[in-house]
Amino acid sequence: GAGVSQSPRYKVAKRGQDVALRCDPISGHVSLFWYQQALGQGPEFLTYFQNEAQLDKSGLPSDRFFAERPEGSVSTLKIQRTQQEDSAVYLCASSSHRAAEQYFGPGTRLTVT
Amino acid sequence: AQTVTQSQPEMSVQEAETVTLSCTYDTSESDYYLFWYKQPPSRQMILVIRQEAYKQQNATENRFSVNFQKAAKSFSLKISDSQLGDAAMYFCAYRRIQGGSEKLVFGKGTKLTVNP
Repeated sequence: GAGVSQSPRYKVAKRGQDVALRCDPISGHVSLFWYQQALGQGPEFLTYFQNEAQLDKSGLPSDRFFAERPEGSVSTLKIQRTQQEDSAVYLCASSSHRAAEQYFGPGTRLTVT
Repeated sequence: AQTVTQSQPEMSVQEAETVTLSCTYDTSESDYYLFWYKQPPSRQMILVIRQEAYKQQNATENRFSVNFQKAAKSFSLKISDSQLGDAAMYFCAYRRIQGGSEKLVFGKGTKLTVNP
């Protein structure tokens, strides 16, 4: 079946703008993760959902970052008042159940100018 | 805190040769999972191989195998008969499950170049 999809693939935002990044997980996958990957670095955990419940948001860098998954399927990562240090690739991953293999999407490359 | 260290920022190998990528990790847990992920230039992260800490036997997937040394907290990836399509960033990762949460903790990656 289809893999994890993310949109947009590329986003350029002016500093101070709000952005919304979308993740469509594999159908039926219970767990959903967001990671941030700065240039030349490994991905870093942002947040974790189990169905619609956000069980861990400890990796969100500031209160400008907000994630939701209202119906337990599609998720949106919102960044308010973007800053240059928010420039990164944002990866979404999903898994069929807790502790199962995580499947990654292609990522959204965010550039803040 | 769990940390994952990849000490080789870049590695290169000749086509058809063998290469080993290093990874060390730090944890106080006794049961856990370790992973190697491949990220080609298109950026889609793909699972290469996984190892359960309680299993003594090293995991193998076709040309990919690991050398898991639990006491030394070492988890290296060996790629045999390297192919041009193996060129990518390789990330070692530790899966942390704590309370109601889980996450992957990644190393900084090793860029593998395969020379024809």
